[in-house]
Amino acid sequence: DAGVIQSPRHEVTEMGQEVTLRCKPISGHNSLFWYRQTMMRGLELLIYFNNNVPIDDSGMPEDRFSAKMPNASFSTLKIQPSEPRDSAVYFCASSFSQTQETQYFGPGTRLLVL
Amino acid sequence: SQKIEQNSEALNIQEGKTATLTCNYTNYSPAYLQWYRQDPGRGPVFLLLIRENEKEKRKERLKVTFDTTLKQSLFHITASQPADSATYLCALEGAAGNKLTFGGGTRVLVKP
Repeated sequence: DAGVIQSPRHEVTEMGQEVTLRCKPISGHNSLFWYRQTMMRGLELLIYFNNNVPIDDSGMPEDRFSAKMPNASFSTLKIQPSEPRDSAVYFCASSFSQTQETQYFGPGTRLLVL
Repeated sequence: SQKIEQNSEALNIQEGKTATLTCNYTNYSPAYLQWYRQDPGRGPVFLLLIRENEKEKRKERLKVTFDTTLKQSLFHITASQPADSATYLCALEGAAGNKLTFGGGTRVLVKP
């Protein structure tokens, strides 16, 4: 298996622009997680899905952030409009929630908002 | 409020020695605790999981203990090697099933 796939790997954008991050989980995994990592705040859970349904979005910073999972093999995290404080590394992770709790992380998307 | 604390200072250790990292938590009653390794520019990688009814877990040169009374986990790397240099994160199961909350991580630097 190729593991969790994220795109793009790097994104540089200007304040106010829309940013869309993409994730393909490991085939067969039914839970998907979006995290944000910064030096100041560490690794924070933004939202997670189980069987394509959002279960907990309490970590989503504000209405500028939205996430979707239209099917079991694809998820997006959108920031609109983006702000410089959104600059961080965004990770997607997946797990098979029925039998194992470990999460498999993608390589991350490094976002810089100017 | 819930809190997970790891030593934010880097741990410098000589090759061959044992590195010991701590993970303390408050206001949690986790069913399990996990340790992950993160290398620069990469996502965290799962290492070990220990359940609340287990005192100790081993995997090759790694050993994890879990004391639910002290609310603490210790992570040991025995016979450390320069390749063990990385940041190590502990993670606790949250209130909602498989949701994890991560500590801030401890950076380990093994010198040859």
